[in-house]
Amino acid sequence: SQTIHQWPATLVQPVGSPLSLECTVEGTSNPNLYWYRQAAGRGLQLLFYSVGIGQISSEVPQNLSASRPQDRQFILSSKKLLLSDSGFYLCASLRGQGRGDTQYFGPGTRLTVL
Amino acid sequence: AQKITQTQPGMFVQEKEAVTLDCTYDTSDPSYGLFWYKQPSSGEMIFLIYQGSYDQQNATEGRYSLNFQKARKSANLVISASQLGDSAMYFCAMRPTGNQFYFGTGTSLTVIP
Repeated sequence: SQTIHQWPATLVQPVGSPLSLECTVEGTSNPNLYWYRQAAGRGLQLLFYSVGIGQISSEVPQNLSASRPQDRQFILSSKKLLLSDSGFYLCASLRGQGRGDTQYFGPGTRLTVL
Repeated sequence: AQKITQTQPGMFVQEKEAVTLDCTYDTSDPSYGLFWYKQPSSGEMIFLIYQGSYDQQNATEGRYSLNFQKARKSANLVISASQLGDSAMYFCAMRPTGNQFYFGTGTSLTVIP
């Protein structure tokens, strides 16, 4: 089965500072990768997804960007953080085209922007 | 439009009792998958159960079962014999055609000893 790693686990950053969150996947190849954000007590908001190296689809226009430099690496970045960027960031991996294939999630990164 | 609705922000259940968490969905795709995930306070999303739109029988996984009513577009999660460790957020999700998943806003379940 797949294992998703995310780091850091927790991050406190000042407004206007840059951001880099990393996600790596083990146990599969050529997965679809996803970045979600979850505000406190809320559901999951899809930010980006990628079907392959260098292929990124953005779902929400904002000051965040994503990159996929390697097959099993997905990076979420920002040049200048906003207060509204605070939240819980989850990386997910999907391997398979079947309707029943589920996403596997990483442990998440809790970001606080002050 | 693709949409998942969970109308119960919070639910309480007595330990060892059964509880039903509601989920309704909207899609025009004829083929889709429905999923339930559990999110404990640690934050990680844990896959619980899957139901395909063409499946004739309701899915079951241990103490979890999915009450799928296609005509009503509902996919409720039933947890039998609740345990204290079941206290968590529960999310319903749908995967229509393609590789995107659509999530509901979640239901917070508290199991009372």
